Amino acid sequence: SYELTQPPSVSVSPGQTARITCSADALPKQYAYWYQQKPGQAPVLVIYKDSERPSGIPERFSGSSSGTTVTLTISGVQAEDEADYYCQSADSSGTYVFGTGTKVTVL
Amino acid sequence: QVQLQESGPGLVKPSQTLSLTCTVSGGSISSGSYYWSWIRQPAGKGLEWIGRIYTSGSTNYNPSLKSRVTISVDTSKNQFSLKLSSVTAADTAVYYCARYSSRGHDYWGQGTLVTVSS
Repeated sequence: SYELTQPPSVSVSPGQTARITCSADALPKQYAYWYQQKPGQAPVLVIYKDSERPSGIPERFSGSSSGTTVTLTISGVQAEDEADYYCQSADSSGTYVFGTGTKVTVL
Repeated sequence: QVQLQESGPGLVKPSQTLSLTCTVSGGSISSGSYYWSWIRQPAGKGLEWIGRIYTSGSTNYNPSLKSRVTISVDTSKNQFSLKLSSVTAADTAVYYCARYSSRGHDYWGQGTLVTVSS
């Protein structure tokens, strides 16, 4: 089955840059999507189709893709960005998969 | 603004069938090219996609759950539903419904906790 691997945790100081990777175990990779989840809340879409940002999402959130790895970058991290982040993609049969999740801690 | 709301029993006995409904408001479930997903999250763990349905009734399921899952849609009520059979304690989780568009899962319900216990 298709798997997406993320680092369990990323720590960053306010104002610095956080980078979260998501690696697929197979080619070809479909588009990736990123979600932010704060405690007790439903996930919120922050990046779609690898690098597109939905309306209302701050510009400090960006996405990129290279080979079978996608990266979510949070530039100028703020305290409110502390959350769990999940990537999500799909295989060719229309089955969706979520990544293992990364906890971002703002020091 | 599209809104989704999960509903159903919060407690299910082991070996029984978990049944949840997602009611969509602010738009017709039949309009547009959308899939409608069920996703769950055990306490302290990550997100697990359960399956999806298109308004035509076409479905896709997580291979690890496929033998126990049925997702259906009732366009007259603007709802879609999840049935998960033969549940165990491992199925205890917060269950979310969500809309999937070309932009990914762009609208989510607030989630509902389902506990499997006798």
